[in-house]
Amino acid sequence: EDQVTQSPEALRLQEGESSSLNCSYTVSGLRGLFWYRQDPGKGPEFLFTLYSAGEEKEKERLKATLTKKESFLHITAPKPEDSATYLCAVQANGGSYIPTFGRGTSLIVHP
Amino acid sequence: SAVISQKPSRDICQRGTSLTIQCQVDSQVTMMFWYRQQPGQSLTLIATANQGSEATYESGFVIDKFPISRPNLTFSTLTVSNMSPEDSSIYLCSVGLAETQYFGPGTRLLVL
Repeated sequence: EDQVTQSPEALRLQEGESSSLNCSYTVSGLRGLFWYRQDPGKGPEFLFTLYSAGEEKEKERLKATLTKKESFLHITAPKPEDSATYLCAVQANGGSYIPTFGRGTSLIVHP
Repeated sequence: SAVISQKPSRDICQRGTSLTIQCQVDSQVTMMFWYRQQPGQSLTLIATANQGSEATYESGFVIDKFPISRPNLTFSTLTVSNMSPEDSSIYLCSVGLAETQYFGPGTRLLVL
């Protein structure tokens, strides 16, 4: 069974304090790993897809990296508007392509 | 990507009643999905809405409780039937495009 574990559950940062969120996964052949951002009361917003170990994707202050067992979402010099819950999901090879989601990391960035 | 809208955005309902949630997509898509997200929990897939055939439900979800319609390639509805407080949750419509899932804004449901 595919599993996704995200840590920490919650993270508080000061504005400008860089950090990383972790997504550990177990899957029978990785097709893709996804990162989403979810603001309170809204649906998840797609950020990145990573397909193979060593791949990196960047968007503004966010950079996602992937190894064979985990992915990191690095946040450089965060701003208060980066506050949100960040969700990780994995998609296995074959089957229906329906991803398995983690519980998310709630990030709060204080000014 | 796709632009997805949901109605209603939120509702407060009485126990025993039913609520139908609508999902509209701005382009034709083959795969549409309905998820539930309870407070502090991960997204849980309820069912895959198939155009022209019955929805495919995940373990723990049944058609009598969550009937789904998919009349065309841009629209779907999810009904939450005979509601109880345990049904209080955010319900999300999602579409699959190029192996990526995109989500609607969600419907926040509170059952009293």
